[in-house]
Amino acid sequence: AQSVTQLGSHVSVSEGALVLLRCNYSSSVPPYLFWYVQYPNQGLQLLLKYTSAATLVKGINGFEAEFKKSETSFHLTKPSAHMSDAAEYFCAVSVTGGGNKLTFGTGTQLKVEL
Amino acid sequence: EPEVTQTPSHQVTQMGQEVILRCVPISNHLYFYWYRQILGQKVEFLVSFYNNEISEKSEIFDDQFSVERPDGSNFTLKIRSTKLEDSAMYFCASRGAGGSGNEQFFGPGTRLTVL
Repeated sequence: AQSVTQLGSHVSVSEGALVLLRCNYSSSVPPYLFWYVQYPNQGLQLLLKYTSAATLVKGINGFEAEFKKSETSFHLTKPSAHMSDAAEYFCAVSVTGGGNKLTFGTGTQLKVEL
Repeated sequence: EPEVTQTPSHQVTQMGQEVILRCVPISNHLYFYWYRQILGQKVEFLVSFYNNEISEKSEIFDDQFSVERPDGSNFTLKIRSTKLEDSAMYFCASRGAGGSGNEQFFGPGTRLTVL
């Protein structure tokens, strides 16, 4: 079975600083990896996904993530945080087969301070 | 842009009552999902549905839960006899044809409160 671990339930950065949200996965078969963002009282919005093409994936709002098989990681980064980035971020994994469900991490709450 | 819609946005019910949560997936999608998120916790998979049958379900999805696609557009989640611990945000998602690398599109959720 696949799983995802997100280190750091809360991350706080200053506006303009680098954002780094960590995600490690476990899967016995090649995974598909996703980052979703959830703003307060809203649903989940896809930021970016890795589907075995390029290992460096660019998403919306200036976010990107790099798939590193040797480290089983898919960390999310953004060079310069903006106040509007404050939200909860979920890493998720899916594999081929069955219902292709998403297995989510526990989430990281990002706070952006002036 | 096509989107997944869910109704109602908020449902309050008494313990033991039946509730039906409704979802309208994106029209040309073939795979449908329900997830739930208990307040302050992670999003958990409940069930996936394809070709008019359940393709996978989690251990949370016990006999009190059922799903249905009663017509060409709606996808419902029924909880037969609600418990206090069913209080959560329930998200519907849909996915188009192709591999599991395709994005699941999520609805805005239904907040279920069981009293």
